[in-house]
Amino acid sequence: DSGVTQTPKHLITATGQRVTLRCSPRSGDLSVYWYQQSLDQGLQFLIQYYNGEERAKGNILERFSAQQFPDLHSELNLSSLELGDSALYFCASNSGNQETQYFGPGTRLLVL
Amino acid sequence: DQQVKQNSPSLSVQEGRISILNCDYTNSMFDYFLWYKKYPAEGPTFLISISSIKDKNEDGRFTVFLNKSAKHLSLHIVPSQPGDSAVYFCATPNNQGGKLIFGQGTELSVKP
Repeated sequence: DSGVTQTPKHLITATGQRVTLRCSPRSGDLSVYWYQQSLDQGLQFLIQYYNGEERAKGNILERFSAQQFPDLHSELNLSSLELGDSALYFCASNSGNQETQYFGPGTRLLVL
Repeated sequence: DQQVKQNSPSLSVQEGRISILNCDYTNSMFDYFLWYKKYPAEGPTFLISISSIKDKNEDGRFTVFLNKSAKHLSLHIVPSQPGDSAVYFCATPNNQGGKLIFGQGTELSVKP
């Protein structure tokens, strides 16, 4: 158990809909990272937050947004969903000044 | 453009033998590397890492070797066990505390 929690574990929705994925980092970690793993793809970095502020952005679509709250949990919002958004979404955390990231169990999103 | 490459999508090894997983990178500025292990329906789990000031790091049955001149690293598992069957990803941070850049992964199958 990495100490990173993600909810929900599974999500099935329809095209055009909006969903919110939630992540709670390890106790004491200030940095949260979001990654997407599509079928037959490696993990692709989406966005990083550090202590409530956006720190880095990857290839995140404009339809996607994230935020980190004062209690340090983070939410990833995916809107106007398309079939191609079906993927595993992972959250990771660390102190923000270290290389190793600790991953949650992921949310499997299926868009029908 | 793949900055971190794992050219073998799969590897099958007999229990008790050595498993060797390979990873190549393109940017000589990368100076820290990590290996993660991932079981189906779980998030990646940190396994072992190596800094570019070393050429070898060992942790129990797992050893990572780094060849900076060849921009190549490898993970050795000795002896391999059926529980080692998983997908292994190599990764490198683009800077300290920054996003991880992942290879595509190698699926290891250890047969009894």
